[in-house]
This record gives sequence, structure tokens and C-alpha cells, in this order.
Amino acid sequence: QKEVEQDPGPLSVPEGAIVSLNCTYSNSAFQYFMWYRQYSRKGPELLMYTYSSGNKEDGRFTAQVDKSSKYISLFIRDSQPSDSATYLCAMSAGGNNRLAFGKGNQVVVIP
Amino acid sequence: GAVVSQHPSWVICKSGTSVKIECRSLDFQATTMFWYRQFPKQSLMLMATSNEGSKATYEQGVEKDKFLINHASLTLSTLTVTSAHPEDSSFYICSASGGPSGSYNTGELFFGEGSRLTVL
Repeated sequence: QKEVEQDPGPLSVPEGAIVSLNCTYSNSAFQYFMWYRQYSRKGPELLMYTYSSGNKEDGRFTAQVDKSSKYISLFIRDSQPSDSATYLCAMSAGGNNRLAFGKGNQVVVIP
Repeated sequence: GAVVSQHPSWVICKSGTSVKIECRSLDFQATTMFWYRQFPKQSLMLMATSNEGSKATYEQGVEKDKFLINHASLTLSTLTVTSAHPEDSSFYICSASGGPSGSYNTGELFFGEGSRLTVL
């Protein structure tokens, strides 16, 4: 079993729809959870950062972490064409431990 | 957020030559820097971890003599691809962890813009 599982998609949605992305993981030591957005031929950009379980909201983006189920989610409300990118989940046990990445999920928002 | 600058953003070289890629943390001290490689439509593959002032730790299957990493200061790490071959063509991305004044990091990483290497 891979450390982090993420369905690579692609996921196509109409503009204005809610985008729902998720990852599962197997390492119970993970306690820092991140979502990165990567545009084509660019480096990943940190989008959301969450510690332990719970929800975090930032504008149109909401990140959820359920440590009991080892499941994290990212929701994008009122999706825009500019949200079209690859979204990577990542997680860490902290303390300079390396990040474990998901494969990335390609999202296309259709105008 | 913290800024990590990577240079060059793209480079084309002949087979057999060496290429150096720089990664700088612009507004914070990076206690640890990571180098990744990414093939098209693939996720990031960690190549090596470097801590300032010490030797890099390479992932299994990554040739340390081919991919030379130097992390001489808290703001600069370099990756040198020696004797590059066409199969080394890829997107190389660095990332840095650490906070202002080198505070204890929480695993949060900041990425450079990436360097696209094409070896002819």
C-alpha cells in the first residue's frame, strides 16, 4: 500500500461548480497536511496547510482532515477557469520529516 | 508566504556536459532543502535531502555522484547534474523548509518555480 493515495483524475467541472478532491493515507504519524496547486510547467504553490484534524477555510477553499479515517479533502467553491491546475496533497510527521505526496489530481474548470 | 527562487528556469545542454541549478530562499533561512524530479503528468519524486553544512541524503536509486548537491549556506542549495544524458531531461524542483530566523519547521515546504532541463 502506498503511503498516500490520490486519484489522479482528470476531473472536469463547469465554472461555478464545487470541486471536491481527497487523499487517503496509511501512516498514522502524519499530523501536518498540505494541499499544493501546480500550474503546468511551474513549481507547486502552497494552497492550504492544516495541523491535525479539523477544518480550515480560506476564501473559496476549504481543507478538511479526518485523522481517525486517515482521509483529507479539499473543496473549491464557485470554481473558476483559473483554478484549472493539478492539485497535490502532501503530509508530514513534522520535525524535518520529508513530505509524502499524492500523485496529484488534474482539475479542469470549463467556462 | 515564503519565497524560494530557482535558477535557471529552463536549460538546454549537450549530452556529456554538466548543468548547475540554484535554489535560494529569499526571505527566510532554510534549514533543510529538498530536490525533486518530476516527469510529465507524474508526481514529485524526492531525489535528496540536504541540510546546511552537511552532506546530502539521497533517496534509493539516485546516483549521488551524478547529482551533486551542495547546501553551503542557509539560503542557497545547488544541484549539479554531471555528464548529463537525454534520460536526465526532466523538471527539477527544489523546496525549502524552515521559518523566519530558522525557527523549528513543521514540515511545511515552499517550492521554487522549477527548472526544466533538456539534454540533447
